[in-house]
Amino acid sequence: DARVTQTPRDKVTEMGQEVTMRCQPILGHNTVFWYRQTMMQGLELLAYFRNRAPLDDSGMPKDRFSAEMPDATLATLKIQPSEPRDSAVYFCASGADLGETQYFGPGTRLLVL
Amino acid sequence: QQQVKQSPQSLIVQKGGISIINCAYENTAFDYFPWYQQFPGKGPALLIAIRPDVSEKKEGRFTISFNKSAKQFSLHIMDSQPGDSATYFCAASNYGGATNKLIFGTGTLLAVQP
Repeated sequence: DARVTQTPRDKVTEMGQEVTMRCQPILGHNTVFWYRQTMMQGLELLAYFRNRAPLDDSGMPKDRFSAEMPDATLATLKIQPSEPRDSAVYFCASGADLGETQYFGPGTRLLVL
Repeated sequence: QQQVKQSPQSLIVQKGGISIINCAYENTAFDYFPWYQQFPGKGPALLIAIRPDVSEKKEGRFTISFNKSAKQFSLHIMDSQPGDSATYFCAASNYGGATNKLIFGTGTLLAVQP
C-alpha cells in the first residue's frame, strides 16, 4: 500500500528555532507539493516540485521558508527562524507526472511557542 | 480568477439525508474538478473527480454535478451516514497547463447526526 510519509508527526518548538519537516513521496511519483493548513486560511500551497526541480514557490514566505528535494525519495521544508504564526499542519502530497490525483501524507502538526 | 469558492462553510445533516456542497470557479481554463475528503488528524484524500466533458459522475452514494456554463460544480452525498462526517474540499486545476497545481476551496465541515 503506497503512501506518502511525513516526519515528524508532531513538533513543538520555541520561537526562533529552526524546524525541518521531511516527506517521502510515493515511489515513482515525480511531483511533490507542500501545503499548510490552518483554520483561518484553509489549505495553502507553499511550494511545488517536478522531477526535483522547484516549479512554484510563490506561496512561501521567502525570508524564512525553504523547500528542497535532495533526491527523488526525500523532500524537505525548513523554517528558520520559526515564529508563532507558523503554527499549522503542514502536508506533503505527491502525484504522477501526468496524473491529476495528489496523494497527501498524514501531515506534520507544528506548534511554535 | 484563480479562486474556487466553496459553500457552505459547515453543514449539519440527519442520517439518511442528502448533503450538498457547492463550488464555483472563474478560470475557464480549469478542466479537472476533484473533491477531497479529510478526516480529523488525517491528510485529504481524493473522493471523486470529474472532467467538464460530462455533467454528472456517480460513485456509490457520491455524485458530482457539473454545470459548465454556470462554472459551478457540486457534491451530493446521498443517504448520508455518520461515517461521512468530515471536511470536504473542492478543487480545480488546468490539467493541460504547465503544472497540475490544484486550487482548493475553503472546505466544508460536514456533520451527519445519527
